[in-house]
Amino acid sequence: EVQLVESGGGLVQPGGSLRLSCAASGFTFNSYAMNWVRQAPGKGLEWVSTISGGGGSTYYADSVKGRFTISRDNSNHTLYLQMNSLRAEDAAVYYCAKDLIPGITMVGGLDYWGQGTLVTVSS
Amino acid sequence: QSVLTQPPSVSGAPGQRVTISCTGSSSNIGAGFDVQWYQHLPGTVPKLLIYGNYNRPSGVPDRFSGSKSGTSASLAITGLQVVDEADYYCQTYDSSLSGSVFGGGTKLTVL
Repeated sequence: EVQLVESGGGLVQPGGSLRLSCAASGFTFNSYAMNWVRQAPGKGLEWVSTISGGGGSTYYADSVKGRFTISRDNSNHTLYLQMNSLRAEDAAVYYCAKDLIPGITMVGGLDYWGQGTLVTVSS
Repeated sequence: QSVLTQPPSVSGAPGQRVTISCTGSSSNIGAGFDVQWYQHLPGTVPKLLIYGNYNRPSGVPDRFSGSKSGTSASLAITGLQVVDEADYYCQTYDSSLSGSVFGGGTKLTVL
């Protein structure tokens, strides 16, 4: 059974940093691109970032480029999102999500999602 | 403002058919990139309903169907049920942004 469990959310001051983790199990982790998607309170889903299965290719939404870094540890089946210079508008539930199709990136949709971790940015 | 435009809300009576549109441009849907649809019920995680424009993952009822034409895509739901009340999102890849994009979401109300 595929499981994705996020952690690392919490309250952080504007300008601060936070590192989210997503522990994956139940599938061949390094075969699939992984993603972070967020949902701010009362808003819709927003794609944040994607990393290829091997970790060599990364992609970011313009809203987080230069501030967030996606990475993965394939030996420990864990996805990360390092968030720096956080802003009020970064406050959201952050979901990690698995690509549907192995071997390619950002094609075919996201078939499994974690429960999400809440990030609050406030002084 | 999302690059994919969805109506904010749609509604229908139980048993009826509704469609949700997703309008993009030549850099995303019109460029030939596949469209996905997700259902997001309150208090749950998003669920993939349609991938590759019209394909349903295992377990998704055939009441849900997807289509695509030109720079737009649509999700149709037939035989509406109360349990279908949720937010629905389209998603695709945008070559100008070099990343994935979601539509703004459509809230479905079953009257």
